[in-house]
Amino acid sequence: EVQLVESGGGLVQPGGSLRLSCAASGFTCSDHYMDWVRQAPGKGLEWVGRTRNKANSYTTEYAASVKGRFIISRDDSKNSLYLEMNRLKTEETAVYYCARASYSNGHWYFDLWGRGTLVIVSS
Amino acid sequence: DIQMTQSPSSLSASVGDRVTITCRASQAINNYLAWFQQKPGKAPKSLIYAASSLQSGVPSKFSGSGSGTDFTLTISSLQPEDFATYYCQQYKSYPLTFGGGTKVEIK
Repeated sequence: EVQLVESGGGLVQPGGSLRLSCAASGFTCSDHYMDWVRQAPGKGLEWVGRTRNKANSYTTEYAASVKGRFIISRDDSKNSLYLEMNRLKTEETAVYYCARASYSNGHWYFDLWGRGTLVIVSS
Repeated sequence: DIQMTQSPSSLSASVGDRVTITCRASQAINNYLAWFQQKPGKAPKSLIYAASSLQSGVPSKFSGSGSGTDFTLTISSLQPEDFATYYCQQYKSYPLTFGGGTKVEIK
């Protein structure tokens, strides 16, 4: 089955760190761009960052609000994606989704989402 | 950053109604526009990419149109399973940005 499964969420204190994982199955992660998107309680969707595919050297892009604090990485041997989050803020409490982007005719578009993992930043 | 503005923010409609949601980009994005459906407590589901291309498995009652700055998502005949929140997203440039969402409720 083609799916993404996130894990690693939980309660963390402000200023703390957390590492989220996203396990891919049914497809080869390295062929795709992979993103993290978050959603604060009762709010809309917010893009966090992206890692491009192997053919594009796994280069990364980040939202300005997380650049320098969050790091996206991959492990091809585990077909997995990671989000390392540092110096977390209370306003970053959210469900964090892993999303796959696929390519067609010049478009890299989201076509698969995980169920999400909840991160609560609170003292 | 490209701002995405959806209207309306919410609407009430009946089963069988034709529903149209609008999304406007703050600058031209060609057709680098996607639509998503999200039900309460669930992950988003991808519906449309490239403004008008239906994702695999998405029923043809959903359609998208537009180019440049103005886009629409249309549901031809609203069914009970379509009551949800819909988001547009531009992927023309970074940061990728989403509209604020349109909640479709039962009248």
